[in-house]
Amino acid sequence: QQQVKQSPQSLIVQKGGISIINCAYENTAFDYFPWYQQFPGKGPALLIAIRPDVSEKKEGRFTISFNKSAKQFSLHIMDSQPGDSATYFCAATVYGNKLVFGAGTILRVKS
Amino acid sequence: GAVVSQHPSWVICKSGTSVKIECRSLDFQATTMFWYRQFPKQSLMLMATSNEGSKATYEQGVEKDKFLINHASLTLSTLTVTSAHPEDSSFYICSAFSYGYTFGSGTRLTVV
Repeated sequence: QQQVKQSPQSLIVQKGGISIINCAYENTAFDYFPWYQQFPGKGPALLIAIRPDVSEKKEGRFTISFNKSAKQFSLHIMDSQPGDSATYFCAATVYGNKLVFGAGTILRVKS
Repeated sequence: GAVVSQHPSWVICKSGTSVKIECRSLDFQATTMFWYRQFPKQSLMLMATSNEGSKATYEQGVEKDKFLINHASLTLSTLTVTSAHPEDSSFYICSAFSYGYTFGSGTRLTVV
């Protein structure tokens, strides 16, 4: 009930391409779905987050798509750049409670 | 924006000694702080949740006598790894919650 399943485990994308990472959750009480970017040796940094009352949120090159009925959400990185190469984590929670993290996706953008 | 300062960023200690890691919210008061442990190429594993002035709530399997958490104020939480052993070597990350979850930059602990 508390799990968040993330795929793929790793992803290689050409520069300028679209990177897509998917997550699925089980707990319908979750009401906050953030995505984090982590570089080696650093803490995670919030990229973008969404609440279940909207189906899509866009901030610059980053878009979250949210499907409440399917209990799935995804991160799209448009015009992927080598500087986007990092590990990405999805998470879910009842806002204010502990975050439940996905397993992470290692993204490599080839120049 | 919200900033969480974590110190030290890396530490090497001898087996059997204790190490303290500090986590400060610099420009906001954190109602809750979370402590995570992360092994290479793995996700963040929650160790404990702490609220100011009360005892931390530890996740199942985390030794509370080994990983002492103190949340003395709304801007400071500390994690003390007591009697550290090589298997405690890991990357420790704190997160402070107020309006959102803000993470510290992490502490690389190496026990030799």
